[in-house]
Amino acid sequence: SQELEQSPQSLIVQEGKNLTINCTSSKTLYGLYWYKQKYGEGLIFLMMLQKGGEEKSHEKITAKLDEKKQQSSLHITASQPSHAGIYLCGALSDSNYQLIWGAGTKLIIKP
Amino acid sequence: DGGITQSPKYLFRKEGQNVTLSCEQNLNHDAMYWYRQDPGQGLRLIYYSQIVNDFQKGDIAEGYSVSREKKESFPLTVTSAQKNPTAFYLCASSIFWRAGGDTDTQYFGPGTRLTVL
Repeated sequence: SQELEQSPQSLIVQEGKNLTINCTSSKTLYGLYWYKQKYGEGLIFLMMLQKGGEEKSHEKITAKLDEKKQQSSLHITASQPSHAGIYLCGALSDSNYQLIWGAGTKLIIKP
Repeated sequence: DGGITQSPKYLFRKEGQNVTLSCEQNLNHDAMYWYRQDPGQGLRLIYYSQIVNDFQKGDIAEGYSVSREKKESFPLTVTSAQKNPTAFYLCASSIFWRAGGDTDTQYFGPGTRLTVL
């Protein structure tokens, strides 16, 4: 079965620094979703990628899907306290056309 | 404002009791979903509904039941058969059920934290 692995599991970054979170699949990705979650709250949709080499940006967050469509990265430029939270990737399952999820990356921003 | 509401935010259950979690959306979405989130794990799909009066089991449906009598509502019942129900439950909806395109993006409610006493 398809699995999504996120790395790192957690990340502590000084405010103002850049950072990257990765999401790697055991199979080809046919739709990759990035969400952000504050602790104890629901998920907020960030971006969706479908095509190999695709890149999308929202404010200071950029997400890319590699050409082979097996890995996606989420890059935050000049991090701010508002970026703190848990980032989750979800991908289309090849078995029932529903989303499977990575375990999440917990991001802490140090002032 | 359009969105998804879940209630209650916190729920406590005694062993052997059934409890029902509410999920309502006013986004006019056809598809709705229930997920379970445990610490350090990704979301796991419990049930999903493609359209009114239809629903399908997800990966961890045992011990749970749902209904979809109205487009706006998709309640989840956690039965006494669920051996380890303490978790954070998330409801979501999307325009269509078949994930993979922009119109299939899932939007989430704020969640319900269920604790078994």
